[in-house]
Amino acid sequence: EIVMTQSPATLSASPGERVTLSCRASQSVNNNLAWYQQKGGQSPSLLIYGASTRATGLAARFSGSGSGTDFTLTITSLQSEDFAVYYCQQYTYWPFTFGGGTKVEIK
Amino acid sequence: EVQLVESGGGLVKPGGSLRLSCAASGFAFSTYSMNWVRQAPGKGLEWVSTISSGSSDIYYADSVKGRFTVSRDNAENLLYLQMNSLRDEDTAVYYCARDGFRRGYNWFDPWGQGTLVTVSS
Repeated sequence: EIVMTQSPATLSASPGERVTLSCRASQSVNNNLAWYQQKGGQSPSLLIYGASTRATGLAARFSGSGSGTDFTLTITSLQSEDFAVYYCQQYTYWPFTFGGGTKVEIK
Repeated sequence: EVQLVESGGGLVKPGGSLRLSCAASGFAFSTYSMNWVRQAPGKGLEWVSTISSGSSDIYYADSVKGRFTVSRDNAENLLYLQMNSLRDEDTAVYYCARDGFRRGYNWFDPWGQGTLVTVSS
């Protein structure tokens, strides 16, 4: 099973800041990596797929990069609505696996 | 508008059974693979099962293999998850999610609102 490790577990930041979230796979998943955002009490929603392709309608302040085992999600100029939990997921190997999540909270 | 609506959750005793449903609308249901993902209270996401568009390919997480059965009715645009021999650790919100692309097995988009399953005596 591919283990997805996200860091940090919690990130405290202020509105307007640039933040970078990390996701590492235990072996190469090529670029078959997705990022999801989950706000409190809501279902997850897709942000990024193919490691770097933004979902339809996603704000340009979100960007994804990486390939193989190391991936990042960057949010430039954090907005109030961006405070949430972010998960990465690999979809190369069964079972498809998620990272443990990074909570982005208000500093 | 693409919509996924889960139902069937509730309180069940350990060892009991429950069947979840997911009603799909707004897209060609029969052409997409579908997925179940769960989230235990206060925890992260766990993939549970995937079924191909025509039901020929089915995948399960080891944690539910032999106890859960996924199926679909393409004529009625419905996805199911039959859960037997339920355990305390199966307590979670269960989401159905569409595959993000018509071919292969990919990211999940969109997700339903989820249905809560509580296993407790």
